[in-house]
Amino acid sequence: NAGVTQTPKFQVLKTGQSMTLQCAQDMNHNSMYWYRQDPGMGLRLIYYSASEGTTDKGEVPNGYNVSRLNKREFSLRLESAAPSQTSVYFCASSEEGLSGNTIYFGEGSWLTVV
Amino acid sequence: GDSVTQMEGPVTLSEEAFLTINCTYTATGYPSLFWYVQYPGEGLQLLLKATKADDKGSNKGFEATYRKETTSFHLEKGSVQVSDSAVYFCALSQNTGGFKTIFGAGTRLFVKA
Repeated sequence: NAGVTQTPKFQVLKTGQSMTLQCAQDMNHNSMYWYRQDPGMGLRLIYYSASEGTTDKGEVPNGYNVSRLNKREFSLRLESAAPSQTSVYFCASSEEGLSGNTIYFGEGSWLTVV
Repeated sequence: GDSVTQMEGPVTLSEEAFLTINCTYTATGYPSLFWYVQYPGEGLQLLLKATKADDKGSNKGFEATYRKETTSFHLEKGSVQVSDSAVYFCALSQNTGGFKTIFGAGTRLFVKA
């Protein structure tokens, strides 16, 4: 049972380079998310997708783009990486229901921009 | 807007000590409340949840009770173990034309043998 799988786990980029973080979930969830986690800042939502074909900005979208390729996959792209984007990135998906919105997270992608 | 406030860490305890991590919330509606745990090098995972007032969520010896009158959801465990060392996040979720989840800042727990 894979859950939420994201790649790569570690990446070092030079300033100005581009890259895409890949994410896939096998739980048939409608909603998917990208968060970043920085020391002392907690979790901050970058983008989310409530369903296939839709995406919306979260708290910190600048410098990022996303694609909801299909129900399973939700990618995050850095077009021109900056040192301020050094962070740990988490992809997540959620099931909505009467008991609220339980979120399932991937294991994280550690990104360093030098 | 909605918000979650949890006690700052780190919290350092000896093995078998009693744990309390405080969490209070502000919400306009009737949210569901959650505790997530993040072990070193991993993503967050659901620890427990409660969906309405006076509900108690429990898992792995951890408990939290949804207190609407005090807008709180404090996490407790009677006897912590070294393996409980992690970061704990309180969160709320409610459907406001689409589900929205708000996380607290996280509280790091260190348990010493």
